[in-house]
Amino acid sequence: GESVGLHLPTLSVQEGDNSIINCAYSNSASDYFIWYKQESGKGPQFIIDIRSNMDKRQGQRVTVLLNKTVKHLSLQIAATQPGDSAVYFCAEGWYGQNFVFGPGTRLSVLP
Amino acid sequence: DAGVIQSPRHEVTEMGQEVTLRCKPISGHNSLFWYRQTMMRGLELLIYFNNNVPIDDSGMPEDRFSAKMPNASFSTLKIQPSEPRDSAVYFCASSLSSGSYEQYFGPGTRLTVT
Repeated sequence: GESVGLHLPTLSVQEGDNSIINCAYSNSASDYFIWYKQESGKGPQFIIDIRSNMDKRQGQRVTVLLNKTVKHLSLQIAATQPGDSAVYFCAEGWYGQNFVFGPGTRLSVLP
Repeated sequence: DAGVIQSPRHEVTEMGQEVTLRCKPISGHNSLFWYRQTMMRGLELLIYFNNNVPIDDSGMPEDRFSAKMPNASFSTLKIQPSEPRDSAVYFCASSLSSGSYEQYFGPGTRLTVT
């Protein structure tokens, strides 16, 4: 599904390179963060999460970094593949509350 | 598990008509969320339920929108009367309310109001 605002940031990377997608969150009380991936015509899909008591978490080919001082979150994708092309959303939340999604970043993987 | 199921996948209707979107969450999940996604506003939470009870409906745009969850396996989002500005993709998501907050999204319903 089309999913982005008028000014959606776009990141283009060469296949095999590493990708870094950034997100600034707004609420210093947020204690839980999630990265989602949305492919065209599909709903968002969970990638990785991190709690505020951590500053780094690794998954398969993905790493999330959290800097609470500047309220910044990043998603690193190692060895980017064509299948990684999608829109990536960060979401912030706090215990018992719903989540607020960022505007998203479009990742385009070049052959 | 089949995942979150939404119907219809596409809906085209005329302004003023009633629209009902349906969602079946993942079995065992006790939280359900309705989102709307547009190019202008991105992904917005409309309402969410916990154990079939609406917890926060502050995202519902106006009285034309209503949502129900009569049981743990079914929810509806109704728009009456529909307007062209309601055109969007509507997603339903479900999660376990304890532990991980990971939400599982359905495939969405693309609504077009002419």
